[in-house]
Amino acid sequence: TQLLEQSPQFLSIQEGENLTVYCNSSSVFSSLQWYRQEPGEGPVLLVTVVTGGEVKKLKRLTFQFGDARKDSSLHITAAQPGDTGLYLCAGMNRDDKIIFGKGTRLHILP
Amino acid sequence: DVKVTQSSRYLVKRTGEKVFLECVQDMDHENMFWYRQDPGLGLRLIYFSYDVKMKEKGDIPEGYSVSREKKERFSLILESASTNQTSMYLCASSLWNTEAFFGQGTRLTVV
Repeated sequence: TQLLEQSPQFLSIQEGENLTVYCNSSSVFSSLQWYRQEPGEGPVLLVTVVTGGEVKKLKRLTFQFGDARKDSSLHITAAQPGDTGLYLCAGMNRDDKIIFGKGTRLHILP
Repeated sequence: DVKVTQSSRYLVKRTGEKVFLECVQDMDHENMFWYRQDPGLGLRLIYFSYDVKMKEKGDIPEGYSVSREKKERFSLILESASTNQTSMYLCASSLWNTEAFFGQGTRLTVV
């Protein structure tokens, strides 16, 4: 069974700090996606990474896909209260089903 | 922009009722999905469909059925609602082998 493990499960930091969250698997994925979900809403797609070693930036968010396409990281620079939410990684498995990690719940304190 | 619309944001139903959750997408996506999301368990796939009238069971199909009569519409049916089906239900759609786009979610409470 292909699994995506996210860490940490919870993270609470002060506004202005930097942070990194991780998405790891023992399996290779053709692509990985990162989503952010706010309370009571559906997940919103942030980025898709496809190529091993790929780095994508979205303002203060930097996404990296591991060279072996088994893991990914999300780095946030100078976190702001608006970054608060549940961050989910997802990947397409061998059966063409999208599987999700359980998420990292991030809380930025003003 | 891709738009996935779920018919209700909040629903309260009684045990034993038949419940219909509707989802519509406007981007001509082949694939559509129904997930439920519960604290500590993450998103779990109930059913998905890769074409009209086609459906595949996900990880937790028991107690649910689905219908896809038109490409843009995917319905989730709770045949006889039970309290353990109280959850956040999320519909998503995608092109083949690409990322999924989600609706806003339906918070269902079964009393």
